[in-house]
Amino acid sequence: AQTVTQSQPEMSVQEAETVTLSCTYDTSENNYYLFWYKQPPSRQMILVIRQEAYKQQNATENRFSVNFQKAAKSFSLKISDSQLGDTAMYFCALGSNYQLIWGAGTKLIIKP
Amino acid sequence: GAGVSQSPRYKVAKRGQDVALRCDPISGHVSLFWYQQALGQGPEFLTYFQNEAQLDKSGLPSDRFFAERPEGSVSTLKIQRTQQEDSAVYLCASSLDGQGLREQYFGPGTRLTVT
Repeated sequence: AQTVTQSQPEMSVQEAETVTLSCTYDTSENNYYLFWYKQPPSRQMILVIRQEAYKQQNATENRFSVNFQKAAKSFSLKISDSQLGDTAMYFCALGSNYQLIWGAGTKLIIKP
Repeated sequence: GAGVSQSPRYKVAKRGQDVALRCDPISGHVSLFWYQQALGQGPEFLTYFQNEAQLDKSGLPSDRFFAERPEGSVSTLKIQRTQQEDSAVYLCASSLDGQGLREQYFGPGTRLTVT
């Protein structure tokens, strides 16, 4: 069975700080994808960043980057220069074939 | 362009009633997914369509749940004889690629409360 674990239910940091959200996963698939999705309060889920497991290079999207450790099955998200608009639930997800397996989420609060 | 829309946004049903939840995906998107999200949890996969074909319904909790996408566009998730444990947010997502592994675009969800 495939699993995704997010061990931090809630985190809070000051605006402009850097924060890292943790995610570990388990799968027996060789070809899979990893995602971080963001769900702002009362708003739709949106994709933050995506990583293809066969690529060694860590994905980056502006202030968002990942640390993908394939052997350790770890996929953490780093948010640099955090902004008030980053306040949201962040979900880590594992995808292979068409199914996404989701973690329970980390509530991130950015304080002014 | 328009994103994924879902209706109704909120639904209160008495236990035992049937409900129908609608999803309008982004035009041209091949894949459509339904998820159930309990309070404080991540989404859980319910079912998946590629065009009009329902390729996986393994996540549907019981035979009271039924989903269709007859013309490969709009989809409806129907729950018969609702139970309190059906209370959740039901999310719909669509994707341009056939497996939804590039990016899934989510609707705002329908919050179902069964009393």
